[in-house]
Amino acid sequence: GAVVSQHPSRVICKSGTSVKIECRSLDFQATTMFWYRQFPKQSLMLMATSNEGSKATYEQGVEKDKFLINHASLTLSTLTVTSAHPEDSSFYICSAAGQGNPEAFFGQGTRLTVV
Amino acid sequence: QKEVEQDPGPLSVPEGAIVSLNCTYSNSAFQYFMWYRQYSRKGPELLMYTYSSGNKEDGRFTAQVDKSSKYISLFIRDSQPSDSATYLCAITTSGTYKYIFGTGTRLKVLA
Repeated sequence: GAVVSQHPSRVICKSGTSVKIECRSLDFQATTMFWYRQFPKQSLMLMATSNEGSKATYEQGVEKDKFLINHASLTLSTLTVTSAHPEDSSFYICSAAGQGNPEAFFGQGTRLTVV
Repeated sequence: QKEVEQDPGPLSVPEGAIVSLNCTYSNSAFQYFMWYRQYSRKGPELLMYTYSSGNKEDGRFTAQVDKSSKYISLFIRDSQPSDSATYLCAITTSGTYKYIFGTGTRLKVLA
């Protein structure tokens, strides 16, 4: 399958700071990227969908000013958690899909801990 | 009613057993059906996807879709301890890529 690289895999930050997570499709052009959040032993919760060159579409209840998503190219999307608080601590996962194919491929995930 | 229902388990089986994992869904508009495997603290890995009713086989894995019953299954033959993971079903409609995930079933294969 296609490769999606997510970086960093783990990050610890202080409360009030911002953290950027990168998601790259390494061997295909991702017209659509998704950002998910996953709590322990729970399924993936879709946060937002982004199409290259367009503003992200956020799911209900997700603060767009807090979770800034940029999809500037067909191979890169970033999620910035602004003014992070301990309740933002979670596992964040991106996925990418290419035009014409129904499969979406996931990154390795980023474990964010806000202290 | 949730759009996708999946038994969370946990499911424990002995090595070599046949494992059956299942999901039901409510919206007949869904067309694509995926199965992902997720190891602890890792991103989900796509195992298989199917489009129509019927079976699709890949090695020890068989995906089955019954659109009339809105029921999808993943069978694992000759299960191995390395198959121990959480298995997520995901469904979507054509052209959106917006997946609806099941809650995941935690599988443990005992050596």
